[in-house]
Amino acid sequence: GAGVSQSPSNKVTEKGKDVELRCDPISGHTALYWYRQSLGQGLEFLIYFQGNSAPDKSGLPSDRFSAERTGGSVSTLTIQRTQQEDSAVYLCASSRGTSGYTDTQYFGPGTRLTVL
Amino acid sequence: AQSVTQPDIHITVSEGASLELRCNYSYGATPYLFWYVQSPGQGLQLLLKYFSGDTLVQGIKGFEAEFKRSQSSFNLRKPSVHWSDAAEYFCAVDFFSGGYNKLIFGAGTRLAVHP
Repeated sequence: GAGVSQSPSNKVTEKGKDVELRCDPISGHTALYWYRQSLGQGLEFLIYFQGNSAPDKSGLPSDRFSAERTGGSVSTLTIQRTQQEDSAVYLCASSRGTSGYTDTQYFGPGTRLTVL
Repeated sequence: AQSVTQPDIHITVSEGASLELRCNYSYGATPYLFWYVQSPGQGLQLLLKYFSGDTLVQGIKGFEAEFKRSQSSFNLRKPSVHWSDAAEYFCAVDFFSGGYNKLIFGAGTRLAVHP
């Protein structure tokens, strides 16, 4: 595709509900990343996928957060029992996944999550 | 530990004036550095990147950045700012470990442009 796409662009939910955020990476990109952008915390790394596997989940803030990737393409970030502190912009990025330092990440427009 | 510092939270310049946004990094190995720009309600757009070679790199929209190893800096510059440059700018260092790249971002600098 032309770029990384994310849906929905905005999501308002009530505290305690589950939400799913979707990311479609650039076609052919094997690496996929999720970041969170929130006031006071800046941009934080959440999770990385190479293909369908996630070798690094170290950035997930709690066990309420999970992510999966199927077919080496689309990824879904799920937040269970949402809390107000989960309100943030969730950004997805993809890269070619080539080994080494020169792999550049390209970002989607983000999903703005508001938990009431 | 790896970190990126952007000392200026907000900067205001007049349209047509020159611009320099500061970025300092802390990284144990050779750094791979990026500048991204985020317009309101948008994702991050890559402006430029430094991997190796010439320490002065050119990017899109007339931006350039200079890598100075001795100062651990990677400052972003533009000779003449346009009103459309108003946005938030993020400097990032690429932390390569375990076979993949993780970006570590600075806190961002919000640029306002006066007509």
